[in-house]
Amino acid sequence: GESVGLHLPTLSVQEGDNSIINCAYSNSASDYFIWYKQESGKGPQFIIDIRSNMDKRQGQRVTVLLNKTVKHLSLQIAATQPGDSAVYFCAESRKTSYDKVIFGPGTSLSVIP
Amino acid sequence: EAGVTQFPSHSVIEKGQTVTLRCDPISGHDNLYWYRRVMGKEIKFLLHFVKESKQDESGMPNNRFLAERTGGTYSTLKVQPAELEDSGVYFCASSQTLRPLLSHEQYFGPGTRLTVT
Repeated sequence: GESVGLHLPTLSVQEGDNSIINCAYSNSASDYFIWYKQESGKGPQFIIDIRSNMDKRQGQRVTVLLNKTVKHLSLQIAATQPGDSAVYFCAESRKTSYDKVIFGPGTSLSVIP
Repeated sequence: EAGVTQFPSHSVIEKGQTVTLRCDPISGHDNLYWYRRVMGKEIKFLLHFVKESKQDESGMPNNRFLAERTGGTYSTLKVQPAELEDSGVYFCASSQTLRPLLSHEQYFGPGTRLTVT
């Protein structure tokens, strides 16, 4: 069945360094991927998305890379700041519909000042 | 613009009792979703409304869960009777219907933390 999973449950990064959070998916039919950030006491917040016809997309301090050959997704955060500390989820949905989002288990990012 | 709101923020009930969770989506959003995260596991989809109609309820765990969205505005999720395994955080999300669909951004509420004792 469908599954989206994360390689590491926790990640600690020094402030100012770059962070890389990885994610694997198993459904070859997946065509739309999203990264969410969840801070304590809040719901998931959309960060960036990418369609399957792309392999890279950049936002403000964030970059998402998609490797369809190995079904791998990553989120890169440049110059990590204390405010980036949160749980990050990769997720999959279908871009052609308003379908449900399938979440991975999440990676907890801790930024060391 | 107000975001997605959920009420209550926390609820503690005993096994066998009934609890009703409420979600107010962003105004104008036709799509409303319920998700939940139990026992530290992944956030799981429960169901999807388009206006007042249930588009997809494949994630509803059993018939103890009843979701409604009368009038296509706010939604309620009732658990009756609640069981211990229902404990977790219940999230609501909403999104617009855009044509063409360029980005499917779902906006999440803060969640309701449900504890069944």
